[in-house]
Order: sequence, then C-alpha cells, then structure tokens
Amino acid sequence: EAQVTQNPRYLITVTGKKLTVTCSQNMNHEYMSWYRQDPGLGLRQIYYSMNVEVTDKGDVPEGYKVSRKEKRNFPLILESPSPNQTSLYFCATRRGLVAYEQYFGPGTRLTVT
Amino acid sequence: TQLLEQSPQFLSIQEGENLTVYCNSSSVFSSLQWYRQEPGEGPVLLVTVVTGGEVKKLKRLTFQFGDARKDSSLHITAAQPGDTGLYLCAGPRAGNTGKLIFGQGTTLQVKP
Repeated sequence: EAQVTQNPRYLITVTGKKLTVTCSQNMNHEYMSWYRQDPGLGLRQIYYSMNVEVTDKGDVPEGYKVSRKEKRNFPLILESPSPNQTSLYFCATRRGLVAYEQYFGPGTRLTVT
Repeated sequence: TQLLEQSPQFLSIQEGENLTVYCNSSSVFSSLQWYRQEPGEGPVLLVTVVTGGEVKKLKRLTFQFGDARKDSSLHITAAQPGDTGLYLCAGPRAGNTGKLIFGQGTTLQVKP
C-alpha cells in the first residue's frame, strides 16, 4: 500500500528542546516537502527536497532544518523550538518536480510551551 | 504575487443541498488541483484539471477549470455528511520552481 508515514502524530514539548519529526514514503518519489498548517494562513511550505542530498527553502524555513540522506526519508528538525512553531505539520511527496499531485502524510500536531 | 482565493471560507448546509466552492486568481495556472482534508488527516487529492474549460466529475462532485485557466470551481450535488471537510485548491507557482500555491481552504459542514 502506497503511503506516507509521520512520527510522532502528537507532540507536546518545551521551548528549546530539540526535536525531530520523521517522514517516510514507500512510493519511490523524488520530491518531498514539509508544510505547516495554521488557521487563517493555510498550508505553507517549510522546506523541500528534489532528491537525495538536494534540499531547499520553502516559504517559511526559519527555525527548521531538514536532511535527505535516503530517498524514502525526509526528517524535519527543530533545533530550538519556540511557541510560534506550534502548528500542524504535514510531510508530502510527489513523483517529481513537474508532477504536482501530492500525497500527504497524516500530520503531526506539535505544541511548544 | 500569485494567490489563490477560495470562497466561501465556511459553508454549513443540510444534507441533500447543492453547493459550489470557488477558487480564483488573477494569474494563469498551468493546472489546478483540488484536495479534501478530513479532521485529523492529511489532504487527499481529488482531481487535477489541466485544460481551460475542462470539466471532470467524481461521483457527485463536478470540477471545472475556467476557460482562461485563472479559476476553478467545485460543485457538489446532494451533499452528504461524508462530504464534510476542508476543501483546498492548489496550483503550481510560475517559473518552474516546482512549488505549489494553496488556497486558504473552504470548510464544509454537512448536517444530517
């Protein structure tokens, strides 16, 4: 079954405590992205990766890091989380740069106190 | 700046009613997509429209791409409670960056 998995699904943490949200896909897709979804602001892209070892900033990259060491995995790292990073996070994948149909993971709800 | 504006932002209707959701822009898009997001889940792709004037049907859902490829609509016939969710339109940003622009979404509530 084609799927995008994220872990954890829910996380409550404190300011400054480093955390990683994992994303894994089994569709052999080249293009992976991280989005955050906030009320009234919609989905905003944080980072994206066009292939292994190729990553670039999206629209709201501040405070986040990513890596793409394997094609299937694209973790999102918050080195020093702050309350304004409280949000719903989605990982998404698609076949390639010009294949715009995206497949989203189930989401990670993060609360930073 | 390319923007996708959706209207209405919120819609609450009774089961059996028809409705239309709009996705508008002043920019031309090479394609537009519609997603549905249910509470606690990620968005799921419903359809992609590519050709100006194109109409696609998915059971009771009808999607149309404007002739000028600047707008799209989603019409639901005889809405059911299972149609409840957030409907998002999205399109590729100009310049072949590979990035997508999302509308802010329309929250649909269908009451039994």
